[in-house]
Amino acid sequence: QVQLQQWGAGLLKPSETLSLTCAVYGGSFNGDYWTWIRQPPGKGLEWIGEINHSESTNYNPSLKSRVTISPDTSKNQFSLKLNSVTAADTAVYYCARLKDIAAAGGGVFDIWGQGTMVTVSS
Amino acid sequence: DIQMTQSPSTLSASVGDRVTITCRASQSISSWLAWYQQKPGKAPKLLIYKASSLESGVPSKFSGSGSGTEFTLTISSLQPDDFATYYCQQYNGYSRTFGQGTKVEIK
Repeated sequence: QVQLQQWGAGLLKPSETLSLTCAVYGGSFNGDYWTWIRQPPGKGLEWIGEINHSESTNYNPSLKSRVTISPDTSKNQFSLKLNSVTAADTAVYYCARLKDIAAAGGGVFDIWGQGTMVTVSS
Repeated sequence: DIQMTQSPSTLSASVGDRVTITCRASQSISSWLAWYQQKPGKAPKLLIYKASSLESGVPSKFSGSGSGTEFTLTISSLQPDDFATYYCQQYNGYSRTFGQGTKVEIK
């Protein structure tokens, strides 16, 4: 049973870089796509971007200029970096796995991490 | 960008009710639509993918239908555990966007 465990700094100042890591347990990192999604307090979900083990990426156009998602296949982990953060980036950030593309056809998220609250405040 | 609009935003219902949530896409997404359930403080849970395929382990009281631009999620016989917020999500091509959510409350 694949499980995701995520961690990272929870309090940032404006203009700093958000950095989160997600570890994959109980399954192989290779062969799947992995994603980051965020949810501002009391609001809906926003997809940030996704990556596979060969570093093929797909980013939300609205965040693409500030986002980097990268894999560490040796550790079965992947990470998110979001630079130049503002208060608008305050949210719970989730890592997730894309469900098997052959079964679901693409960007469906079937396994989620526990979420990390990130607050941006001066 | 493909916009997803859910209705209603809030739905008040009683235990045992059959409820339907609608999701509309700003352009055709074929059947590339998923539904999620989210409870407070928890990550979303996948219920339905490809508009009508039930995720493994999800009770059959959840069903999805639709194609193109209009989709529905139906919950037959609402139970206390079903009171939550539900999100639709499109995944047409390389684009992924969520609806704004529908909160199902106890009447």
